[in-house]
Formats: sequence, C-alpha cells, structure tokens
Amino acid sequence: DIQMTQSPSSVSASVGDRVTITCRASQPISSWLVWYQQKPGKAPNLLIYATSSLQSGVPSRFSGSASGTDFTLTISSLQPEDFATYYCQQANSFPLTFGGGTKVEIK
Amino acid sequence: QVQLQESGPGLVKPSETLSLTCNVSGGSVSSTSYYWGWIRQPPGKGLEWIGILSYSESAYYNPSLKSRLTISVDTSKNQFSLKLSSVTAADTAVYYCARGIVMDRGVRRFDPWGQGTLVTVSS
Repeated sequence: DIQMTQSPSSVSASVGDRVTITCRASQPISSWLVWYQQKPGKAPNLLIYATSSLQSGVPSRFSGSASGTDFTLTISSLQPEDFATYYCQQANSFPLTFGGGTKVEIK
Repeated sequence: QVQLQESGPGLVKPSETLSLTCNVSGGSVSSTSYYWGWIRQPPGKGLEWIGILSYSESAYYNPSLKSRLTISVDTSKNQFSLKLSSVTAADTAVYYCARGIVMDRGVRRFDPWGQGTLVTVSS
C-alpha cells in the first residue's frame, strides 16, 4: 500500500497568513494527488485534484504543487472560513489511501 | 447536480453485519463515467477508504476489509450498498458514500460525498 504522510498534523495561523501543508507519498504516484477540506460534522469537500487542478467553485487562494513524491497545498491568504482539517489522498492505485490530516486552527 | 444520501441502522451488534445504502439523485449509477465508493472515519480520526465499484467494472476493496466486505449496485433503485460482516467496535465510524470520478483510466477523485452516517457497534 502507498503510505501518505501529511505534515504538520496541526497549524495555528491568523487570518491573512500564508499556510502550507505537505503530503509525502511512500512511492511515486505520478500527479494523482487530491486535497479535501473537512469542517466539523461535515463531509470532506474536494478542493484540488491531479496535484494542481482547482475544483470548480474553490477560491483561487488555494493551490497545489508537487516535487517528486512531495505534494503541497498552499492557502495564500487564510480566511475565516478556511479553518478546518485538510486531507490528502493518493489516487494512483488501489488501495486508495489518505494522509492523516492537518488541522488549521485560529491563532 | 448529483446528490448522495446514506441510510441504514445507526447501531449494530458485535459479530453482526453492517448494512448501508447510498441513494443517488440527479445522476445514474449506471453511468460508465463514474465509480461509487465508501469511505469511513472513526470518531476523532482520519479517513479510511473502504471500497469502490462501477456498474460495468469490477469492485475494488481495501485489503484490510476485503474478507468481510461486499459492495453492490442496484440500478433499478439507483443506489449502491455496503455490507460489512462480523463487525467489532473497531468498525464504529461515520460512513460516507461518494462518487468516484474517472480520469485517465483510474478513479482520480471523490466528488460529491454524502453527508455521512454514524454507525456504532455495541451490544
């Protein structure tokens, strides 16, 4: 199975801050990396797929990039509605696997 | 737009079978462009992929659950189902159904998701 290691597990930030979350795959996954946002009591919501493709309706302050097996989600200017938990998921091969999550908290 | 809604018992006894259904509206489970999947989340923990299938293709299961798992599609009701046998407390989780979108011959993202349903395994 492909292991997805997400870091940090939590981050405290202020509105307007730039936030970066990293996900490392245990083996090559091409560009098949997905990011989801989950708010308490809600289902995950698709943000980015195929490393850097922004899902329709998602604000442009969210972006994704990759370097080898390291993938990054960047929020360029954190907004109040962005405080949530973020998960990465590899979509390269079965079994599909998720990272452990990163909780973005208010500083 | 496609919407998914899970339904089923919220409480299951240990050793029994957990059965959930996902009703699909605004789209067809018979579409060959999509897969239909299940993901779960134990309370306070992360996401775990359970399995996925499409109307015309094979099902793919998480190896850790495969021996206890069946996912099926009912085109007449436009829904798909999950059955997990011999459950234990470790199977207590919020269970989500989701549509898997195919891209370049693979299931490359899940969208949308159902709202999720909490299933507790307890006597």
